Amino acid sequence: GEDVEQSLFLSVREGDSSVINCTYTDSSSTYLYWYKQEPGAGLQLLTYIFSNMDMKQDQRLTVLLNKKDKHLSLRIADTQTGDSAIYFCAEWARATNKLIFGTGTLLAVQP
Amino acid sequence: DVKVTQSSRYLVKRTGEKVFLECVQDMDHENMFWYRQDPGLGLRLIYFSYDVKMKEKGDIPEGYSVSREKKERFSLILESASTNQTSMYLCASSPTAGRAGAGGYEQYFGPGTRLTVT
Repeated sequence: GEDVEQSLFLSVREGDSSVINCTYTDSSSTYLYWYKQEPGAGLQLLTYIFSNMDMKQDQRLTVLLNKKDKHLSLRIADTQTGDSAIYFCAEWARATNKLIFGTGTLLAVQP
Repeated sequence: DVKVTQSSRYLVKRTGEKVFLECVQDMDHENMFWYRQDPGLGLRLIYFSYDVKMKEKGDIPEGYSVSREKKERFSLILESASTNQTSMYLCASSPTAGRAGAGGYEQYFGPGTRLTVT
């Protein structure tokens, strides 16, 4: 079945780069997403990547996709305290027509 | 901007009570979803709906039901609340595949309702 895995916690210093990793199982996924959840709030779509792309850059965010290994990563350059949040990876599962979410990675940014 | 609103941010209910959680979206989206979020478990899909009066079970529908009488509104019902239903409940909406934007099937989320059942 479909499954999306992420590490639970990442701690970085302000100004450093953060890399959040995700692995997924559905090789037919066409879209993969990163969502951000700030404390007490809903999920906000950060960025997405289509499966025929290897990389997508959007200001401080870089998404890398390795289809062979079914590995997705989100790099945040110059991490700020405002980036502290939970980050969810999600894949579109074509077979079930559903978004499958990972467990979320809590990013803690130390000043 | 897409707006998804949920009727309450915080709710406290007693065991056995009937609980209604309301969700409204203003972008004419066909699809609507209810998730619950628990620490270490991520988001789990409870029910979803592709159209008015249509509903489909998600991964954890037991103890819940839904209602979609109007396109913009999707309600989650806990017929008899239990303590193991204490959780954060998130509603989301999305356009159909045929109307999907460049981002495909992205879902837009409401702020969440934190439900405590005592």
